[in-house]
Amino acid sequence: GAVVSQHPSWVICKSGTSVKIECRSLDFQATTMFWYRQFPKQSLMLMATSNEGSKATYEQGVEKDKFLINHASLTLSTLTVTSAHPEDSSFYICSAPGTGPNQPQHFGDGTRLSIL
Amino acid sequence: KNQVEQSPQSLIILEGKNCTLQCNYTVSPFSNLRWYKQDTGRGPVSLTIMTFSENTKSNGRYTATLDADTKQSSLHITASQLSDSASYICVVTSNSGYALNFGKGTSLLVTP
Repeated sequence: GAVVSQHPSWVICKSGTSVKIECRSLDFQATTMFWYRQFPKQSLMLMATSNEGSKATYEQGVEKDKFLINHASLTLSTLTVTSAHPEDSSFYICSAPGTGPNQPQHFGDGTRLSIL
Repeated sequence: KNQVEQSPQSLIILEGKNCTLQCNYTVSPFSNLRWYKQDTGRGPVSLTIMTFSENTKSNGRYTATLDADTKQSSLHITASQLSDSASYICVVTSNSGYALNFGKGTSLLVTP
């Protein structure tokens, strides 16, 4: 079945560092990918929709200069958390849509980001 | 406002027992309802998807029901196993299936 690979799975870094998270579709092409953020015991919150070859669409309240998204190819989307601070610590998950509206999204395994 | 409410928030059951998780929603227009299992530190994995015309769907020991009139769904887990310990998330989609509304999930712990 369709697989989405997310890397790295865990990042610990100092405040002020920029962190890049990669999301790859392994056996299919994804013109669209979604980036979510999840705090402990909370639901996934959509941050932005990544579109291959064009600008990402950000949800209200998400700083586009803080969370840079690049969808350079049909199999790769990246999220860069720029100048990360402790409040950016969270679980970040990407997903690719299914082949149709009644098909499941395919989620990556997430990236645990801890900013010291 | 589109909302998805899940109950209980958390649940502890003994291995081998059955349990039922609930999901109520106010999402409109309705496209489909999905149940996902999310292990700790992992991404969600799809268990079932139901459209408006479907009122039950099974996936092994997992059986989901949907009452589109009352806007309620349940996920029944039969003969629970330790590996069932996870968060179960109800997701209701609208706008032709591409706008997802997530519940906060039910955290299930299965103990020996």
